[in-house]
Amino acid sequence: QKEVEQNSGPLSVPEGAIASLNCTYSDRGSQSFFWYRQYSGKSPELIMSIYSNGDKEDGRFTAQLNKASQYVSLLIRDSQPSDSATYLCAVDTNKLIFGAGTRLAVHP
Amino acid sequence: DTGVSQDPRHKITKRGQNVTFRCDPISEHNRLYWYRQTLGQGPEFLTYFQNEAQLEKSRLLSDRFSAERPKGSFSTLEIQRTEQGDSAMYLCASSLVFGYTEAFFGQGTRLTVV
Repeated sequence: QKEVEQNSGPLSVPEGAIASLNCTYSDRGSQSFFWYRQYSGKSPELIMSIYSNGDKEDGRFTAQLNKASQYVSLLIRDSQPSDSATYLCAVDTNKLIFGAGTRLAVHP
Repeated sequence: DTGVSQDPRHKITKRGQNVTFRCDPISEHNRLYWYRQTLGQGPEFLTYFQNEAQLEKSRLLSDRFSAERPKGSFSTLEIQRTEQGDSAMYLCASSLVFGYTEAFFGQGTRLTVV
């Protein structure tokens, strides 16, 4: 079992819709969770961090954490074509481990 | 301080040569990570340091790879006797250890082994 799992996608959504990205992790002791966005040929860029159960909102982004289910998600509201990228889930298990990423395509 | 800096940005080398990459972390960050990323994959953990101590190295990592972080500041990653399979983007990230532990990445070094 991989430490951090994501669907590879692509996830295709129309402009203006809500994109929902999911991630599961295996280490129950993990305390910190992150979402990164990566455009093709660029390095990952941090967009959200979440440390406790529940929701955390920042602009159009909402991160959700459920430690009992070992599940993290990212919602992107009012999706824009510029949101088209790969979204990486990362979990701090005393070291930072990444999933393989989900490719999001927002079409006009 | 403008963020994590990596040098060089691109490196083309012949198979069998040694290469060394440098990473300068955000100045107050005491944790430093090295990752390798190939097309369509997430960043693969290679190793990480807390201050000058190397705390973990991936079991999948060949003995040809070595990393150092003298004095807990910048870090170097060396690959000896490069192979074509080493071609990848090598990413460095840094973070704090306590409190908000977000990691920030440098722009990466793209290695091509010919």
